[in-house]
This record gives sequence, structure tokens and C-alpha cells, in this order.
Amino acid sequence: DAKTTQPPSMDCAEGRAANLPCNHSTISGNEYVYWYRQIHSQGPQYIIHGLKNNETNEMASLIITEDRKSSTLILPHATLRDTAVYYCIVRVAQYNFNKFYFGSGTKLNVKP
Amino acid sequence: DAGVTQSPTHLIKTRGQQVTLRCSPKSGHDTVSWYQQALGQGPQFIFQYYEEEERQRGNFPDRFSGHQFPNYSSELNVNALLLGDSALYLCASSSSGVLGYTFGSGTRLTVV
Repeated sequence: DAKTTQPPSMDCAEGRAANLPCNHSTISGNEYVYWYRQIHSQGPQYIIHGLKNNETNEMASLIITEDRKSSTLILPHATLRDTAVYYCIVRVAQYNFNKFYFGSGTKLNVKP
Repeated sequence: DAGVTQSPTHLIKTRGQQVTLRCSPKSGHDTVSWYQQALGQGPQFIFQYYEEEERQRGNFPDRFSGHQFPNYSSELNVNALLLGDSALYLCASSSSGVLGYTFGSGTRLTVV
């Protein structure tokens, strides 16, 4: 699986959009981009995933560049409860085969 | 619909002892993966079980072993505990046809 690069930490004001970048320059054509987040000492929580097109759900939006070498997770209106470590992961779409490779993630600090 | 259930939530063991951690997957999931997360780091893949067999393994010694039961639940066993085994142990379940994993809240193991 391709590896990802994320900034170690970011700050965001409560109520503003949080934009979390991720570089995955070695991504292959059949690899999806996943985002998970982990609130202190809990298990990682699924946020969103995508292959080529931009995706949106009730939690966030995922913007993937045309060359697929980078992506951005957008939390449209960050709240204090969004303070967490956010992991960007790429993996082959073989359903329950293969493992997720977690990097160090981005610690998002949402401030009042 | 219960998610992934792990037990116990916390435990303390002494160096050299053995420990067993348990995981019940989300309803409808048949694959279980185990991860180790040291403090301040991302989760590291230990192994994955499917159809009661270990299908993939990460870079962990043979002291780490597992088992999957016919009802898809799983156990992680660690023998000859070392101080460095202190970590949050996460179980994740998945299923054919479903992309992504559902994680449990983890078991916090402290080795003293």
C-alpha cells in the first residue's frame, strides 16, 4: 500500500472549516483514500473514503486532486468535539484483504 | 446494532506473564484484524484472521498469537510480556463486500 504524508498538527477555530491535507504521491490506480480519526484513547472512527471523485457525507468532504497524488479532508464547521488525530490511509480495494497502514496522522486542535 | 466489542478495557500484567485479549466483531463481519498502538503513535498491524486462519501478519514476534472462533470472535495472546508491550490493543472487523474497517475501543495493557 502507498504511504501517506500529513502535517503533525493543525489548529482551527471553532465554527470555521478545517482543511486537513494529505500527500500520497505513490498511490496506485486501484488504491482508495480513506480518512479515520481517533479521539483520545478511543478506537479509530471511519470518516470518509474515495477513489477519484470528490465525496461528501454527513461528517466531511473529501477532495482528491486530479492526479490523485494528494487529498484534503474538509470538516465544514469544526466543533470542539472534532479535536482528534486524523489519519489519511491508502489501500487496495480488495475489501477485507490487506491491512491499513497508519502513519502518525495530524493532530487537529479546535479552539474556542 | 452492536459494533466491535473488546474485553477487558484495561489490565495490568507483570513482565514475563501471558495475556489474552478478546474481540467480538460487528454483526455481519467475518474478518478480524488486530493492531497495537503505542502512546503517541499510529496503530501498527499485528495480524488478520479470516475463516479461523491467520491470513496476514505484520512485523511482530511469535510471542504474539491469535485465534478466531467459528462465531468470528477472536483472541489475541501475548506470551512472555515485555515492558514494551504496554500499549492500546485495537481490534477491527470487516467483511467481504464492505470497504473499510470498524474498530473497537481497545484494551489498554500495562506491563509493569
